[in-house]
Amino acid sequence: GAVVSQHPSRVICKSGTSVKIECRSLDFQATTMFWYRQFPKKSLMLMATSNEGSKATYEQGVEKDKFLINHASLTLSTLTVTSAHPEDSSFYICSAVGTSGSITYNEQFFGPGTRLTVL
Amino acid sequence: GNSVTQMEGPVTLSEEAFLTINCTYTATGYPSLFWYVQYPGEGLQLLLKATKADDKGSNKGFEATYRKETTSFHLEKGSVQVSDSAVYFCALSRGGKLIFGQGTELSVKP
Repeated sequence: GAVVSQHPSRVICKSGTSVKIECRSLDFQATTMFWYRQFPKKSLMLMATSNEGSKATYEQGVEKDKFLINHASLTLSTLTVTSAHPEDSSFYICSAVGTSGSITYNEQFFGPGTRLTVL
Repeated sequence: GNSVTQMEGPVTLSEEAFLTINCTYTATGYPSLFWYVQYPGEGLQLLLKATKADDKGSNKGFEATYRKETTSFHLEKGSVQVSDSAVYFCALSRGGKLIFGQGTELSVKP
């Protein structure tokens, strides 16, 4: 199956700093990546969708200047939380769909998530 | 709008018990429906899916039937194991995007 990794798995930062989270597809080319936010005991909320080489499409209510998404290659997307504040503390999860040779993955494959804590 | 509602957790069962996790949805048209499972420390994995009414998805002893008349997609397993302990998410797909329920934590005791 297709594997998606995230780095770091856990990060703690001070209020006002920026944090970058990486999402990588390890064995396939991710044409589309998705970023979700998960609150404790809550559902996953889609934040944005990014296609390789294009600007991300953000869901309503998500601040694009706060959550910068870059999908510069077919195996890497990054989410940068700028000027982080305690309310940005959450679990961030990425997923991807794409291709590997002649195989097309329409199912979303999920990364293990990144726990962000802003002090 | 589109939404998914799951039964509240946590659900605690003894090994070999019967499992039902309820899921209902609201959507325009006929979305594809999914169950995902998240084991501790891991990412979400697709457990099963159904793409049209009356379809039954099944995997690893779990099954769910797409019920259009009741807009439901309840997850069932006849005999749970300790290794089934995880968080289960019901979801629907619209326009390539997934909309998730809030998740149901299952804990299976020996």
